[in-house]
Amino acid sequence: GAVVSQHPSWVICKSGTSVKIECRSLDFQATTMFWYRQFPKQSLMLMATSNEGSKATYEQGVEKDKFLINHASLTLSTLTVTSAHPEDSSFYICSAREDSSNSPLHFGNGTRLTVT
Amino acid sequence: AQSVTQLDSQVPVFEEAPVELRCNYSSSVSVYLFWYVQYPNQGLQLLLKYLSGSTLVKGINGFEAEFNKSQTSFHLRKPSVHISDTAEYFCAVSEAGYSTLTFGKGTMLLVSP
Repeated sequence: GAVVSQHPSWVICKSGTSVKIECRSLDFQATTMFWYRQFPKQSLMLMATSNEGSKATYEQGVEKDKFLINHASLTLSTLTVTSAHPEDSSFYICSAREDSSNSPLHFGNGTRLTVT
Repeated sequence: AQSVTQLDSQVPVFEEAPVELRCNYSSSVSVYLFWYVQYPNQGLQLLLKYLSGSTLVKGINGFEAEFNKSQTSFHLRKPSVHISDTAEYFCAVSEAGYSTLTFGKGTMLLVSP
């Protein structure tokens, strides 16, 4: 079945540094990928929709300059948390679907970001 | 706008007992409905989905769900749970195919021996 690989699975960084998270569709092409954020014991909140070859679409309240998204190819989207602060610590999950009308979303295994 | 309500934040149950996790949605148009499972520190895995057709949907790991349009519900059921079913379960809805999912807050299923 379709697999979405997310890397790294966890990262610890110092406040003020930037962190890049990769999301790859391993055996299918994905024009659209999605980035979610999940706080402890809470649901997934959609942050942005990543579109191959064009700008990402951000949800209301998500800072586009803080969370940079690049969808450079049909199999790779990256999320960069710039100038990270402790409040950015969270679980980030990406998802993608095959480019056909009845394909479900496939999720990566998530990235646990801890900013110290 | 669409929304999903999972009334139970936590459901404790004994092994081999049946379980039902409740999900209600609201939407002004036709919807697709999904159940996902999340194990600790992992992403989400699709359990089952309702797109159209039969209202009783069977998924992986022995789970099933029934779409009830009049009650706007999509409850998840399993006749006999295992310890390994302990996880967080999310109900989700989409109004436009799979383009955007709205998730419920999740229900933690706790299976004890």
